[in-house]
Amino acid sequence: EVQLVESGGGLVQPGRSMRLSCAASGFKFDDYAMHWVRQVPGKGLEWVAGISWNSGSVGYADSVKGRFTISRDNAKNSLYLQMSNLRIEDTALYYCAKETDGYNSWGLGTLVTVSS
Amino acid sequence: DIVMTQSPDSLAVSLGERATINCKSSQSVLYRSNNKNYLAWYQQKPGQPPNKLISWASNRESGVPDRFRGSGSGTDFTLTISSLQAEDVAVYYCQQYYNSPWTFGQGTKVEIK
Repeated sequence: EVQLVESGGGLVQPGRSMRLSCAASGFKFDDYAMHWVRQVPGKGLEWVAGISWNSGSVGYADSVKGRFTISRDNAKNSLYLQMSNLRIEDTALYYCAKETDGYNSWGLGTLVTVSS
Repeated sequence: DIVMTQSPDSLAVSLGERATINCKSSQSVLYRSNNKNYLAWYQQKPGQPPNKLISWASNRESGVPDRFRGSGSGTDFTLTISSLQAEDVAVYYCQQYYNSPWTFGQGTKVEIK
């Protein structure tokens, strides 16, 4: 069974940094591209960043480009999102998602709250 | 970026009746070389992550009831729930995976009338 478990969220002040992690199991992690998608509670879905199976290709939403870095460690079956210079508008539930013709597996998310 | 626009934003349908959700993309998501539409539909229930119902515009995922049907091509797509059940109350999203950034529609909330 595919499992994606996000961690690392919490309360952080504007301008500070935070690192999210996603632990993957139940599938061959290094066969798949992975993504981060966020959702402000009660609002819609926003793609944040994606990374190819071998880290050779990465992409970012304009709203986070230059501030967020996606990475992965295939030996540890883990996906990461390093977030810096956080803004109030980055407050959201952050999901990691496995890419297969869209996203066929999602974690439960980790909540990031940016507030002073 | 490809903009995905869903309509309506919400709809209320009686149990057993049909629900229809539309999704329009600002440019075609049909890849001519393989004749595939890079379009997925998701269902999201309160407190849960999204669940993919349909990929390639019309391919139901394993385990998805056949009352869910995706159709359309190019820029215009539809998700139809043929006979609404109580467990179908949710927000539904379309998403294109043709071009980065992969973009979602704003969501359509389906309720029971």
